[in-house]
Amino acid sequence: DAKTTQPPSMDCAEGRAANLPCNHSTISGNEYVYWYRQIHSQGPQYIIHGLKNNETNEMASLIITEDRKSSTLILPHATLRDTAVYYCIVRAGSGAGSYQLTFGKGTKLSVIP
Amino acid sequence: DAGITQSPRYKITETGRQVTLMCHQTWSHSYMFWYRQDLGHGLRLIYYSAAADITDKGEVPDGYVVSRSKTENFPLTLESATRSQTSVYFCASSPRTGSTGFGPQHFGDGTRLSIL
Repeated sequence: DAKTTQPPSMDCAEGRAANLPCNHSTISGNEYVYWYRQIHSQGPQYIIHGLKNNETNEMASLIITEDRKSSTLILPHATLRDTAVYYCIVRAGSGAGSYQLTFGKGTKLSVIP
Repeated sequence: DAGITQSPRYKITETGRQVTLMCHQTWSHSYMFWYRQDLGHGLRLIYYSAAADITDKGEVPDGYVVSRSKTENFPLTLESATRSQTSVYFCASSPRTGSTGFGPQHFGDGTRLSIL
């Protein structure tokens, strides 16, 4: 699996957009970018994923650069409940090795009142 | 409510005992997974299952046994618990997409297992 690089921590003011970057310079053509988050003592929560195009759902937006070497997760209006560790994961859509999600250290996002 | 539930939420047992962690999902997802989470290691895959009666090893399968007689259930058994198996265990499920792929994994809230 391609590896990802994320900043270890970020702060965001409540009500502002949180922009979480991720580098995945060795991503392959059939690999998706997934974002999960983990709030203390809970299971990881799926947020969004994409292959090439930008994606948006009720939780967040995912912006993937044209060369696919990096991406940004955007939480449009951060709330205190968005304080969590955010994981950027690259995973093949099918085939050998695609079944495991490799969680790195992630980015600890702190939303400040 | 639909979702994925794990039981028990907390368990304390002694070395050498057998313990079974339960996982139940109501989405009829084809794939199910067991992970453990330890400080300094992140989440590591123990076993996964692509369908009922089909299971395969993940990254750290030693000391664990799984079964999947029904699509909705995927129990994890520690046949003879050791202190190194003290951890938080997460179950996840995922729908099948296309002929060989699968979609996002959705996780339960975990079982915190302590082995004394």
